[in-house]
This record gives sequence, C-alpha cells and structure tokens, in this order.
Amino acid sequence: QVQLQESGPGLVKPSETLSLTCTVSGYSISSGFYWGWIRQPPGKGLEWIGNIYHSGDTYYNPSLKSRLTISVDTSKNQFSLKLISVTAADTAVYYCARGDKNWGSIDYWGQGTLVTVSS
Amino acid sequence: EIVLTQSPGTLSLSPGERATLSCRASQSVSSSYLAWYQQKPGQAPRLLIYGASSRATGVPDRFSGSGSGTDFTLTISRLEPEDFAVYYCQQYGSSPMYTFGQGTKLEIK
Repeated sequence: QVQLQESGPGLVKPSETLSLTCTVSGYSISSGFYWGWIRQPPGKGLEWIGNIYHSGDTYYNPSLKSRLTISVDTSKNQFSLKLISVTAADTAVYYCARGDKNWGSIDYWGQGTLVTVSS
Repeated sequence: EIVLTQSPGTLSLSPGERATLSCRASQSVSSSYLAWYQQKPGQAPRLLIYGASSRATGVPDRFSGSGSGTDFTLTISRLEPEDFAVYYCQQYGSSPMYTFGQGTKLEIK
C-alpha cells in the first residue's frame, strides 16, 4: 500500500521560504513514477506546483518556476519542496502525490498539510 | 496552456438520480490523459477515472467517464449519499504538466 506523508512548518512569515518534505512508504521512489506537489487555497480549486521524476528531472508550473525547487532523496525515499519569497497568496493546503507517466493521472495523494503565510 | 472549464458549477440532485458532469478543454486533449477526481471536505482528492473512461481501483461501476477531443463527461448513474462531493477533471500535457478544472460541487437537493 503506497502512502505519502507531508511534513513541515504550518506557519511561514511573508518573504521567507516554505519548505515541505514528503515521505513515501510502500513504494520505492527509485522505481519510477512522477513525484510532485499540488496545492489548494482555502475554499478554492487545485493547482499543480511541480513534479520530479526518479531520475531527478524536474517539471515546474511556469507561474511558480522562478521561486520553486523540488528535490529528491532516494536514500530516504523522500522528496521535498522549497518555495522562496512567499506571500499570503501561497497560503494553501499542500499535497504531495504520485503521478502515473503512462496515463497522466495522480493515483496516490498525501493527506495534505495546511501552510499559512502570515506575520 | 490548456484551460479546463467544468459545468455546472453546482449540481443539486437527490439520491438515486443520475448526475452528468461536463469538462470542456480549450484545446484538444488526448483521451489517454484526462482524469476525474472526487474530493470530500477535509480530504485529499481521490482518483476516479483515468484515460477518460477507465475506472481506478475500487471505484464503483456507477461511475463512468466518456468523451474525446475537447468534451469529456463524468456520469454517476444512481447517486448514493456518499457521492455528494466536489469533482475535478484534470489533463496531462505540456507545460504546465497538469491542469485542473475549477470543480463541480454535487450537492443534495
């Protein structure tokens, strides 16, 4: 059973860096699939942030690319998100997820973690 | 960028009725790369349909997907109380890799 779990601070100050880690269990990141992040502002829809392939290739949403880094640590079976220079508009529930390259669907999701940007 | 527009924004139906949800793309989408998700309050989205018409593991057969090109449909044949939720369509393609529709809220009438 594939499981994903987000971890990281729930409160970040404006202009600082948002950092989250996703720990994967039940499947080795090195075995394939995309691993990525999706966010959902309170009461709003879903926004794709970016993906990383097990090889380390990254794919970012152009709207966030200048502020975004996604990395992978296969030894820990984790991948991470760093978003710099955050504002209140970055307040959202952040989900980590697994993407299927063959079908382009997202088959496993973490439970999500709320990150609030506020001073 | 491909924009997905879902309609209606809100759909009010009763248990036992049939629900038809629409997802229209601004450009043609490969049927292989169109998915549907269900999201209940406080929960992560759940994959229902991939490849436009294939049910994900464990999804009841009252859920079905259809469509091609720019017009896709999610149909729930007979609504159960647990089906009332928000539904999103999603496409996979070039930059950005994933885009989502804005969602359809299915509420109890």
